[in-house]
Amino acid sequence: GIQVEQSPPDLILQEGANSTLRCNFSDSVNNLQWFHQNPWGQLINLFYIPSGTKQNGRLSATTVATERYSLLYISSSQTTDSGVYFCAVVSGGSNYKLTFGKGTLLTVNP
Amino acid sequence: NAGVTQTPKFQVLKTGQSMTLQCAQDMNHEYMSWYRQDPGMGLRLIHYSVGAGITDQGEVPNGYNVSRSTTEDFPLRLLSAAPSQTSVYFCASSYSGKGYGYTFGSGTRLTVV
Repeated sequence: GIQVEQSPPDLILQEGANSTLRCNFSDSVNNLQWFHQNPWGQLINLFYIPSGTKQNGRLSATTVATERYSLLYISSSQTTDSGVYFCAVVSGGSNYKLTFGKGTLLTVNP
Repeated sequence: NAGVTQTPKFQVLKTGQSMTLQCAQDMNHEYMSWYRQDPGMGLRLIHYSVGAGITDQGEVPNGYNVSRSTTEDFPLRLLSAAPSQTSVYFCASSYSGKGYGYTFGSGTRLTVV
């Protein structure tokens, strides 16, 4: 099956700093999503982005499908950005089966 | 609009006991799925359903059963709990097709002793 690798595994920032999280995948994808899992365990869908660039406030994401990677940018980080960021993809003939990366644990210190 | 509702939030089982994790959505989504989350492993797909009466296995189906009698409900059954099933379980739903995002429930933390 498709492999999804995220980097870095851990990231510690001071409030106000910017960061870039990366997601590499091993095959072409039909669907790519970024999720944030907050410290209480809730998974929030940030972006559906199989290709191109999207922005939502301080967060933006870019997927270059031909080169099989996606980037999540966090600008002017806040302590509430802390948590785990997951990349998840759907590939092959299935439109439904999400495969997750292992995530990036982000800690934003005040 | 409640989204995806999972019950219970916490559960402790003894080895060999059975239980059902409940999942319900009120968004008329065709697709529903169950994931387990273990430390350092991300989320792994257990079972999924593309509509009422249709289910299929995911990456880690052993020890779990599912059924989909209605569009709204997708329960996950553990027939004989084992310590290896200690995990956090998430239910998710989506409109069918590749063009939509997923909504996750708040999770069930299960401990098998």
